[in-house]
Amino acid sequence: GAGVSQSPSNKVTEKGKDVELRCDPISGHTALYWYRQSLGQGLEFLIYFQGNSAPDKSGLPSDRFSAERTGGSVSTLTIQRTQQEDSAVYLCASRPRGPSDYGYTFGSGTRLTVV
Amino acid sequence: QQQVKQSPQSLIVQKGGISIINCAYENTAFDYFPWYQQFPGKGPALLIAIRPDVSEKKEGRFTISFNKSAKQFSLHIMDSQPGDSATYFCAASTGGTSYGKLTFGQGTILTVHP
Repeated sequence: GAGVSQSPSNKVTEKGKDVELRCDPISGHTALYWYRQSLGQGLEFLIYFQGNSAPDKSGLPSDRFSAERTGGSVSTLTIQRTQQEDSAVYLCASRPRGPSDYGYTFGSGTRLTVV
Repeated sequence: QQQVKQSPQSLIVQKGGISIINCAYENTAFDYFPWYQQFPGKGPALLIAIRPDVSEKKEGRFTISFNKSAKQFSLHIMDSQPGDSATYFCAASTGGTSYGKLTFGQGTILTVHP
């Protein structure tokens, strides 16, 4: 597709369960980012992948959060033992390589509700 | 400090008016300052961006003003339209190992009345 695709668009899960959120970036985009948007808040950086380099995990809020990117394309964000405070919209973005273009393309996000 | 502070939290403007949103930053290493527009149920979309070597950039009805010494930048929307009603985020980034990682402001909900 032409844009960043995220699935599912909505996810309701019970507290304590694990969830997986998927991101399909734009083909050819080497950089991939995950952000979290809580109600009324800005976007909080979670993790960044760039090509084959080690990911920048500095934004992951706890060890319950992890992410991987397979084959330099699809990424999965996993939240283990979900808590109510994990409820938020999880946004994925990708961009092409190169200092001349910082422009992200965001997906529409996955709205996660932990009950 | 990586924080970017944005104000106001919400803004109501009449059609045809000027909408102004302000942001301030602390990290002098920031070298890229974009503004994003977000409609409900959608991800943010890049609206306009500026680098610190210029003081102003204009694209259509949208203008960024940048004050490097004050570490502030603002978005001006001229002739505001109801279709501009959305949430606006300022952001900033720096190079290095976190190349392109954006730090976002808290967002401004803009409502333009017809």
